Amino acid sequence: DAKTTQPPSMDCAEGRAANLPCNHSTISGNEYVYWYRQIHSQGPQYIIHGLKNNETNEMASLIITEDRKSSTLILPHATLRDTAVYYCIVRVATQDSGGSNYKLTFGKGTLLTVNP
Amino acid sequence: NAGVMQNPRHLVRRRGQEARLRCSPVKGHSHVYWYRQLPEEGLKFMVYLQKENIIDESGMPKERFSAEFPKEGPSILRIQQVVRGDSAAYFCASSSRQINEQFFGPGTRLTVL
Repeated sequence: DAKTTQPPSMDCAEGRAANLPCNHSTISGNEYVYWYRQIHSQGPQYIIHGLKNNETNEMASLIITEDRKSSTLILPHATLRDTAVYYCIVRVATQDSGGSNYKLTFGKGTLLTVNP
Repeated sequence: NAGVMQNPRHLVRRRGQEARLRCSPVKGHSHVYWYRQLPEEGLKFMVYLQKENIIDESGMPKERFSAEFPKEGPSILRIQQVVRGDSAAYFCASSSRQINEQFFGPGTRLTVL
């Protein structure tokens, strides 16, 4: 799996949009971008994933650049409960019996602190 | 909301004892993964199981650690003769297919005295 680069920490004011960047310049054509978050002392929580089109769900939006070398996770109206470490992970998501696409590789992520 | 369940949530063992961690996947999920998170570190893959089969245990220590996912019942991660270095949070995840997103449980925090 390709490596990702994220800033170690970010701050955001409550109610404002939080934009979390991720660089994945060596991403392969069959690798998806996944985002998880881990609130203190809890298990990681799946947020969203995408291949090349922008994606939106009830939690967040994912914007992937046209060259797919970077992406941004957007929390449109951050709340205090969104304070967490956010992980950007790239992963092959095709059925490949010879690969280990099931392994999620968690880096250090970005600690997002939402301030009142 | 029957998500991934893990028990116990906290487990304290003395050195040399055995630790058994249980994981019940999301209903209908047949793929289970175990990860370990040491203090101040990221999660590391340990093992991947699919009903009654170990698919990949490359992340498991060679000795003292074993995992199973029987036809009936939860997946079990077993650590024999625990040492202080085994103190960590152990997370279980499940998915409906190998390529699909994994959903994590709340974890078991193991403390070895």
